[in-house]
Amino acid sequence: AQSVTQLGSHVSVSEGALVLLRCNYSSSVPPYLFWYVQYPNQGLQLLLKYTSAATLVKGINGFEAEFKKSETSFHLTKPSAHMSDAAEYFCAVSVGGGADGLTFGKGTHLIIQP
Amino acid sequence: NAGVMQNPRHLVRRRGQEARLRCSPMKGHSHVYWYRQLPEEGLKFMVYLQKENIIDESGMPKERFSAEFPKEGPSILRIQQVVRGDSAAYFCASSPIRDKSYEQYFGPGTRLTVT
Repeated sequence: AQSVTQLGSHVSVSEGALVLLRCNYSSSVPPYLFWYVQYPNQGLQLLLKYTSAATLVKGINGFEAEFKKSETSFHLTKPSAHMSDAAEYFCAVSVGGGADGLTFGKGTHLIIQP
Repeated sequence: NAGVMQNPRHLVRRRGQEARLRCSPMKGHSHVYWYRQLPEEGLKFMVYLQKENIIDESGMPKERFSAEFPKEGPSILRIQQVVRGDSAAYFCASSPIRDKSYEQYFGPGTRLTVT
């Protein structure tokens, strides 16, 4: 069975600093990987996805993630944090090409310090 | 193009009552997924449906929970005889499944409170 581990339930960075949110996955087949963002009392919005093409994936709002098979990782980064980035971030894995139910990590709450 | 719609947004039920949660997928989407989010937890997959078919219900509790996606109308997640442990946010997602670019688009969720 597949699984996702997000290291750090809370991450705090200063405005303008680098954002790094960690995600490690476990899968017996080549995975599809996703990062979603959730603002308070809202649904999830897709930030970016890896679907076995380029290992460096660029998403919306300046975020990007790199798929590293040897490390089973898919960490999310943004060079310069903005106050509006404060939200909950979820990493998810699919073993059915995205057509199956996604397996989510527990989430990382990103706090932006002014 | 309207997004995934869920109603009601908030639902309060007493223990033992039934809860019905509705999900209207995006236009042109024929695949629906239901997820449950407990406090301080990520989303847990419950069920995957296509029109008139349940494709994968491996995440559904064995009792009291059922889901349908009829030929016409929204998808319904039904919880019978609710208990306090059912209090959670329930999210629906839809997907077009085309061009091998599978993306699930999420609705705003229904927050169920069982008193």
